[in-house]
Amino acid sequence: VQLQQWGAGLLKPSETLALTCAVYGGSFSGYYWTWIRQSPGKGLEWIGEINHSGSANYSPSLKSRFTISVDTSKNQFSLRVTSVSAADSAMYYCARRPFGSGGLMYWGQGTLVTVSP
Amino acid sequence: QSALTQPPSASGSPGQSVTISCTGTSSDIGSFNYISWYQKHPGKAPQLIIYEVRNRPSGVPDRFSGSKSGNTASLTVSGLQPDDEGDYYCSSYAGSNFWVFGGGTVLTVL
Repeated sequence: VQLQQWGAGLLKPSETLALTCAVYGGSFSGYYWTWIRQSPGKGLEWIGEINHSGSANYSPSLKSRFTISVDTSKNQFSLRVTSVSAADSAMYYCARRPFGSGGLMYWGQGTLVTVSP
Repeated sequence: QSALTQPPSASGSPGQSVTISCTGTSSDIGSFNYISWYQKHPGKAPQLIIYEVRNRPSGVPDRFSGSKSGNTASLTVSGLQPDDEGDYYCSSYAGSNFWVFGGGTVLTVL
């Protein structure tokens, strides 16, 4: 199983961040596909997750500007963040969590996102 | 929805054991056994080392062990090795389809 992610790394305030994570190997169903971020000098932050049916869960503190979607035809899932600010500058990771487990076993390589005027 | 509380740093000499705590509340760690631990080295993605409180994924040495008591989970690293240096994060299910991470602990092998 490999997760490969990509997206724009440099944004201006108020723009929209869009990241995509492609899944290679293994089944796409039976898992929650997760986004996590790490701001500079800070810890990991759970953003949200989605299953193959499109049912998504979000961090209550981040919910309003964040949208996770899935494209099962391509075995991909995406993260969209509107109206970004400097506070959204972070390394963003995608990861896989099996149903009925809390462990994120497989991770993408990470995408560094910088928001700067 | 506060982050779980971890000590900012921990250290030990090669061969020694070190335990890292992760304190939550009765709404997260105290209520669920979906507790995971991750090791992170600079510039790399986190690696799962413990899931469901005490289970180790294939390939993770048995020097890593996990436990839970009440609202606190713990990760013990026995027989410390230089490669164990890095950041360690705990995570727990917090109910209502929400997951939370700890603030992280920097482990130094002296």
